[in-house]
Amino acid sequence: SAVISQKPSRDICQRGTSLTIQCQVDSQVTMMFWYRQQPGQSLTLIATANQGSEATYESGFVIDKFPISRPNLTFSTLTVSNMSPEDSSIYLCSVDKPGTSPYEQYFGPGTRLTVT
Amino acid sequence: GQQLNQSPQSMFIQEGEDVSMNCTSSSIFNTWLWYKQEPGEGPVLLIALYKAGELTSNGRLTAQFGITRKDSFLNISASIPSDVGIYFCAGPEYGNKLVFGAGTILRVKS
Repeated sequence: SAVISQKPSRDICQRGTSLTIQCQVDSQVTMMFWYRQQPGQSLTLIATANQGSEATYESGFVIDKFPISRPNLTFSTLTVSNMSPEDSSIYLCSVDKPGTSPYEQYFGPGTRLTVT
Repeated sequence: GQQLNQSPQSMFIQEGEDVSMNCTSSSIFNTWLWYKQEPGEGPVLLIALYKAGELTSNGRLTAQFGITRKDSFLNISASIPSDVGIYFCAGPEYGNKLVFGAGTILRVKS
């Protein structure tokens, strides 16, 4: 199984600022996913990040607001730009389990973001 | 997009009781997954189902892929305090995208 770490684990930020969240995996993976989990809600996919190509964003999420980098097969970053209180959420990265369906995903512990 | 309806929304049960929860969709799924999220953690995959009618166990957990391919069920036998958490069903919407249900919150009285 893959071990995934995220930094920071939590942060409190002022509106109008940006925060970059890091996701590190202990093994090489093809696909990395970024999710948002709003308070008391389910998970919503923001984008899929493959190494060497632009991230693919889901409806309702745009690159200017959530730029993503994927410089290699073990690391990715998600930036939450020009934050507002509505961006207060848990942000989770996940990876697909090698050798199986892309739906069997391992999740990181999440980054708990509060925007004031 | 597709929506998954989970029920019940929450459960508060006595330790030792069995638990049943389900997930339904208006569309056919070819894969069903069940995840558990504990407070302060990311979801953890419990069971993956790939064939209609399939029944798969993982310890005290048993999940079934409904024969209509529009539903799935998760049962937990003899619940214990560490079963506390939120249980999410999930399925592929398109491409690599997973869609998640709203979750069932499980609380266990010891």
